[in-house]
Amino acid sequence: QLQLQESGPGLVKPSETLSLTCTVSGGSISSSSYYWGWIRQPPGKGLEWIGSIYYSGSTYYNPSLKSRVTISVDTSKNQFSLKLSSVTAADTAVYYCARLLRYIVVVPAAYIDYWGQGTLVTVSS
Amino acid sequence: QSVLTQPPSVSAAPGQKVTISCSGSSSNIGNNYVSWYQQLPGTAPKLLIYDNNKRPSGIPDRFSGSKSGTSATLGITGLQTGDEADYYCGTWDSSLVFGGGTKLTVL
Repeated sequence: QLQLQESGPGLVKPSETLSLTCTVSGGSISSSSYYWGWIRQPPGKGLEWIGSIYYSGSTYYNPSLKSRVTISVDTSKNQFSLKLSSVTAADTAVYYCARLLRYIVVVPAAYIDYWGQGTLVTVSS
Repeated sequence: QSVLTQPPSVSAAPGQKVTISCSGSSSNIGNNYVSWYQQLPGTAPKLLIYDNNKRPSGIPDRFSGSKSGTSATLGITGLQTGDEADYYCGTWDSSLVFGGGTKLTVL
């Protein structure tokens, strides 16, 4: 059974960089057809996709966050990571790592089939 | 402001049926498959429906999905108290986008 686990600081100061790592177990991050991504959920609010990465290193970011986001992958450790720069209180959220499938069968499909448990990151001085 | 529009809340009695709508446009729902997620309180979302109407292994057939034009619908029959959760629709629109979520209350 595939499992994803987020790790990283739970408190980040304003203007600093938020850094999280997702460790994948029970499967290889180098599997074809799968992307690996980050989604966040501010307290009491809905889901926001941050971006995703393929094992080869190709990335896809939410246009609204693209200027501040970097997602990287380390296939030797079966991990991928998120860096979000210049954070503000608006970046306070539960951050989920996830596995994303993207393919085309007549029309494009994209959905998340596995989620990590999530980690709360608070931006505060 | 979410790209996809869902009602904030729906409610129904145990055993009854409920539907949750998800409205979009030609750039998202109109030309992409739709997925649905269930988020129980304090937990991560879980995939309920993918490719508009397919259920992953382990999801009971009480849950169903459909799509017509630029809208999609999640249906839940035989409501149980354990179905109380937030439900989100999702699809692709130059990036992965979600609805604002619908809180289901089983009265």
